[in-house]
Amino acid sequence: QKEVEQDPGPLSVPEGAIVSLNCTYSNSAFQYFMWYRQYSRKGPELLMYTYSSGNKEDGRFTAQVDKSSKYISLFIRDSQPSDSATYLCAGNSGGYQKVTFGTGTKLQVIP
Amino acid sequence: DVKVTQSSRYLVKRTGEKVFLECVQDMDHENMFWYRQDPGLGLRLIYFSYDVKMKEKGDIPEGYSVSREKKERFSLILESASTNQTSMYLCASSSPQRNSNQPQHFGDGTRLSIL
Repeated sequence: QKEVEQDPGPLSVPEGAIVSLNCTYSNSAFQYFMWYRQYSRKGPELLMYTYSSGNKEDGRFTAQVDKSSKYISLFIRDSQPSDSATYLCAGNSGGYQKVTFGTGTKLQVIP
Repeated sequence: DVKVTQSSRYLVKRTGEKVFLECVQDMDHENMFWYRQDPGLGLRLIYFSYDVKMKEKGDIPEGYSVSREKKERFSLILESASTNQTSMYLCASSSPQRNSNQPQHFGDGTRLSIL
């Protein structure tokens, strides 16, 4: 079992839809969680960075962490074609511990 | 904004060649990382460094070495390139926090093909 699991997709939604991207993780020591967006032929770009359980909102993006079920989500409101990318979730336990990444979910927002 | 720059976007080399991938960051970060990214396998950590002249093996160090002579620069070396090292290579950096965590920032990657 991988430490961080993501459905690879692709997930296709119409423009303006609310998108829900999800990950599960197995390491109960994880306290820090990240979402990265990766456009084709580019490096991952940090989108959201959260600590422990709860929600964090930044514009159209909301990151949600439920440590009791080891479940992390990214919600995108009013999705745009420019949101079409692969989204990577990641977690680590802090300090000098390495970051573990999911394999990514490919999202396509159709105009 | 953090800027992590990888010297080449695309590189084609031959089997057996010694290959150097260069990465420079401009945020005075102590931590630097090299990953490779392959379809279905995600990001896998090759090597990382917490300080100048310091290096630690990641999950897949075999066939690779690294060099960190200056704080801003972290080089990945393929000692004798093989076709199974064809991949996207990503460099990242972060600032150290002993009791917490700072996220990693990535460069745009080097797509390396070994023929």
